[in-house]
Amino acid sequence: GPKVLQIPSHQIIDMGQMVTLNCDPVSNHLYFYWYKQILGQQMEFLVNFYNGKVMEKSKLFKDQFSVERPDGSYFTLKIQPTALEDSAVYFCASSLVQGDSDYTFGSGTRLLVI
Amino acid sequence: GEKVEQHESTLSVREGDSAVINCTYTDTASSYFPWYKQEAGKSLHFVIDIRSNVDRKQSQRLTVLLDKKAKRFSLHITATQPEDSAIYFCAASNMGYKLTFGTGTSLLVDP
Repeated sequence: GPKVLQIPSHQIIDMGQMVTLNCDPVSNHLYFYWYKQILGQQMEFLVNFYNGKVMEKSKLFKDQFSVERPDGSYFTLKIQPTALEDSAVYFCASSLVQGDSDYTFGSGTRLLVI
Repeated sequence: GEKVEQHESTLSVREGDSAVINCTYTDTASSYFPWYKQEAGKSLHFVIDIRSNVDRKQSQRLTVLLDKKAKRFSLHITATQPEDSAIYFCAASNMGYKLTFGTGTSLLVDP
């Protein structure tokens, strides 16, 4: 079936540096999401994005986080500057409509901030 | 905000037996309840969902039950097979675009 691709799969970065996580969503999908999962804990909603705008963000979506999808290319999550507590697996997802079975997840980017 | 609790962190069954995973939620406004399966090193895959206008939905060997009064929903897998072994996540949503997940249940089906 259709896939969401995440690049890179793993990233190690020094605290304070900037990191960009890339997501290639399913081609006809309109809604885009980022979730964060710390090891051993549940996946938590960060943000969702539609029509070029953030629709909703959670408390976890700190001021250091930003998302964009310039000209229909990758949907990106940028963290600047990174902190140790940003270490987690970040999952991207996309869907054509809200709340339906076509909500498709990527394999995640494992981010380690040292 | 919504909280979803997934009661079984691990579940081990013999091949051919049934498996049941239970979740509870807190937000009475939640109306959409999907289940996802994650195999080692892979992404989450949708398995089945249920909406609040029904209390039961079946797809082949999978059945989801929803008890809105108790704010509880469950995934039932019959005639389990080794390839059913994975981590299963329940989730709840009241708007469809934001999912609140449980902590996952690691299901092991012994051949």
